[in-house]
Amino acid sequence: QKEVEQDPGPLSVPEGAIVSLNCTYSNSAFQYFMWYRQYSRKGPELLMYTYSSGNKEDGRFTAQVDKSSKYISLFIRDSQPSDSATYLCAMKTQNFVFGPGTRLSVLP
Amino acid sequence: DAGITQSPRYKITETGRQVTLMCHQTWSHSYMFWYRQDLGHGLRLIYYSAAADITDKGEVPDGYVVSRSKTENFPLTLESATRSQTSVYFCASSARTAGSNQPQHFGDGTRLSIL
Repeated sequence: QKEVEQDPGPLSVPEGAIVSLNCTYSNSAFQYFMWYRQYSRKGPELLMYTYSSGNKEDGRFTAQVDKSSKYISLFIRDSQPSDSATYLCAMKTQNFVFGPGTRLSVLP
Repeated sequence: DAGITQSPRYKITETGRQVTLMCHQTWSHSYMFWYRQDLGHGLRLIYYSAAADITDKGEVPDGYVVSRSKTENFPLTLESATRSQTSVYFCASSARTAGSNQPQHFGDGTRLSIL
């Protein structure tokens, strides 16, 4: 079993939809959780960074962490074509561990 | 501009050749990292460095060499390139505050093809 699992997609949604992206993990020692967005032929870009269980909101993005279930989510409200990218979850104790990414396409 | 830059962006070489990928950051971050990204594997850590002259192996270090004589530079060398090292390579850096690594910031990658 991989330490971090993520549905690779691709996930296609119409513009304006609410998108839910998810990761599960097996290591209960993970304390910090991140979401990165990666456009084609670019490096990952940090979107959200959170420590505790619960929700963290930033504009159209909400990160949710449930440590008891070892499950994290990223919600995108009012999705736009510019949100089309691969989304990577990441988490860490001493070192960073990344999920394989979910490809998202938002169709106009 | 401040940030992290990688060079070259694209490289084609032959098996057995030595290749060096460059990484430069202007944030004075103490930590720097090298990853490779392949379909089905995501980002895998090759090497990382906590400070100048301090480096350590990651998940997939075989066939790679790193050095860090200056805080801002962290070159990655493939001593004798093999086809299995064809990949996209990302350099990242992070600050360390209050005893914890902050999130990493990535360069735009080097796409390396080995024929």
